[in-house]
Amino acid sequence: TQLLEQSPQFLSIQEGENLTVYCNSSSVFSSLQWYRQEPGEGPVLLVTVVTGGEVKKLKRLTFQFGDARKDSSLHITAAQPGDTGLYLCAGTSNSGYALNFGKGTSLLVTP
Amino acid sequence: GAVVSQHPSRVICKSGTSVKIECRSLDFQATTMFWYRQFPKQSLMLMATSNEGSKATYEQGVEKDKFLINHASLTLSTLTVTSAHPEDSSFYICSALTGENTEAFFGQGTRLTVV
Repeated sequence: TQLLEQSPQFLSIQEGENLTVYCNSSSVFSSLQWYRQEPGEGPVLLVTVVTGGEVKKLKRLTFQFGDARKDSSLHITAAQPGDTGLYLCAGTSNSGYALNFGKGTSLLVTP
Repeated sequence: GAVVSQHPSRVICKSGTSVKIECRSLDFQATTMFWYRQFPKQSLMLMATSNEGSKATYEQGVEKDKFLINHASLTLSTLTVTSAHPEDSSFYICSALTGENTEAFFGQGTRLTVV
């Protein structure tokens, strides 16, 4: 099983602040996905990155895939209370389709 | 995006009984579905990969006789927790791969409580 390390595990910030969540692995992934999960619900896909060095933007969220396809970051600008949730990165290995998840980053944005 | 529906969303059962959870892909065919388990404040742990028309592939440490998986059609996979015990109480989530096999979409999860 390829391991994905996420940091930080918990993050509590005030509305308007910026933050970055990291996802790192010693393994190469053919693609990496970011999900957001709210309590009692399934994860919702935010973005998929495939190409090393790729940067994708989704409104105030910026996702980056490392050049070597072993790591990724999620940057949120001007966080809002609606951004609160569990952010999960997941990687698809070259040999299979099953997703391996990081432990997640629990984000709390207070007004 | 593709829609995956899980049923039931919540279930309470007595110890020793069996519970079946359904995972359906509503607007696409899914040859591969996955079952995950999630404990409070923790990430998703892959339990098994469900392949249509063949036996499921279980992750190490997951009892195949306890967690029975059936993927009888391209749009339905079921997970049956047999002889449930309180320690089986958890949030169970399924996901299904789209035809391109690069993105997985998740069901809304099933909260199982064994009393």
